[in-house]
Amino acid sequence: ETGVTQSPTHLIKTRGQQVTLRCSSQSGHNTVSWYQQALGQGPQFIFQYYREEENGRGNFPPRFSGLQFPNYSSELNVNALELDDSALYLCASSLEYGGLNNEQFFGPGTRLTVL
Amino acid sequence: DQQVKQNSPSLSVQEGRISILNCDYTNSMFDYFLWYKKYPAEGPTFLISISSIKDKNEDGRFTVFLNKSAKHLSLHIVPSQPGDSAVYFCAASEGSYNTDKLIFGTGTRLQVFP
Repeated sequence: ETGVTQSPTHLIKTRGQQVTLRCSSQSGHNTVSWYQQALGQGPQFIFQYYREEENGRGNFPPRFSGLQFPNYSSELNVNALELDDSALYLCASSLEYGGLNNEQFFGPGTRLTVL
Repeated sequence: DQQVKQNSPSLSVQEGRISILNCDYTNSMFDYFLWYKKYPAEGPTFLISISSIKDKNEDGRFTVFLNKSAKHLSLHIVPSQPGDSAVYFCAASEGSYNTDKLIFGTGTRLQVFP
């Protein structure tokens, strides 16, 4: 069983650019959540996708957008990058939204640096 | 406003002794609490969880205690092992499901020394 994978591992961008991060969920998982972890902080919820629809959003501006594909893989897009967007971006997948004991499995993350 | 707080950034414990990691929360709507462990260059790994209807949950060496009146939970690791050295995150969810959005604390770095 393949775990959650994310690409790329590291990325360097400049202010104003756009970036796309990718996540492949664990086999059979149809729910994907994205988190941003700034240095010295805990992960912060960005949004969640369930069966290709957005299913909840955290306190992030609209320039953070996402997508989930029919195979349940997902993308996080960030437009007009700012220096404060520098962080580790984590993707987590779970077997099915709702239900007990369906914990979220995290990928290793993408380290984004904005210069 | 930090809804989930881990006030100890680090903890150092001798191998074989008990490690106690603490977490406080402010949102009384939180219904589910989880602990995650994170090694460098890896994503957080689920460790143990507890529903708000319980006050204790045990899984092997790991026990989580929940005190709802004090809005406090703790993770006990007994006995501590060097492989337990990692950053531990406390997380909470308003939903009844642990697939709901998670609110994380800032983490506690545990070091277990021989």
